[in-house]
Amino acid sequence: DTAVSQTPKYLVTQMGNDKSIKCEQNLGHDTMYWYKQDSKKFLKIMFSYNNKELIINETVPNRFSPKSPDKAHLNLHINSLELGDSAVYFCASSQSPDRMHFGPGTRLTVL
Amino acid sequence: GESVGLHLPTLSVQEGDNSIINCAYSNSASDYFIWYKQESGKGPQFIIDIRSNMDKRQGQRVTVLLNKTVKHLSLQIAATQPGDSAVYFCAENIRNTGKLIFGQGTTLQVKP
Repeated sequence: DTAVSQTPKYLVTQMGNDKSIKCEQNLGHDTMYWYKQDSKKFLKIMFSYNNKELIINETVPNRFSPKSPDKAHLNLHINSLELGDSAVYFCASSQSPDRMHFGPGTRLTVL
Repeated sequence: GESVGLHLPTLSVQEGDNSIINCAYSNSASDYFIWYKQESGKGPQFIIDIRSNMDKRQGQRVTVLLNKTVKHLSLQIAATQPGDSAVYFCAENIRNTGKLIFGQGTTLQVKP
């Protein structure tokens, strides 16, 4: 009965590889988000989707491509991974910007 | 500009004492504010929220105060417990943007 789930929880990969992180929410929310948390714990919004439509794209490099096959899923694909992409990525959902529900996070380490 | 910040990066309190975590925001268009708690290895968890037409809201052991004049937000935790140890974030919703902007975070350490 997990509200927002992400897979994988940990991802270790080499520079230059392509990887994906999956997110699913069973709350029936219309909006989903991806946030990046850096080593200093700073949380920054990357994308938001509302009913499968891209709403927010916060100057994220083109190597990052979100995909929303339906409103319960928002996946994040990253091409040509760089060292600076190492971070914890959080998926979240909400019915509005209010009371965002976060997933457990995916710790990405690029070697 | 869009920024939400916290005055202190780390707060250490004795178990049983009250904790006060402060936050400053800069966007006068923000109409909704939230406090989140993030425990180690987990995602942020909603604690309490407040809308800009209010100046105080109370929950269970927590109180949020909003001072729009000086753009200041605080989270008060009564009778702090070891389980309250975490990083606390304030976040602001800028009206009509759909974006929730997070502050830097304050680490709360509760000493037994």
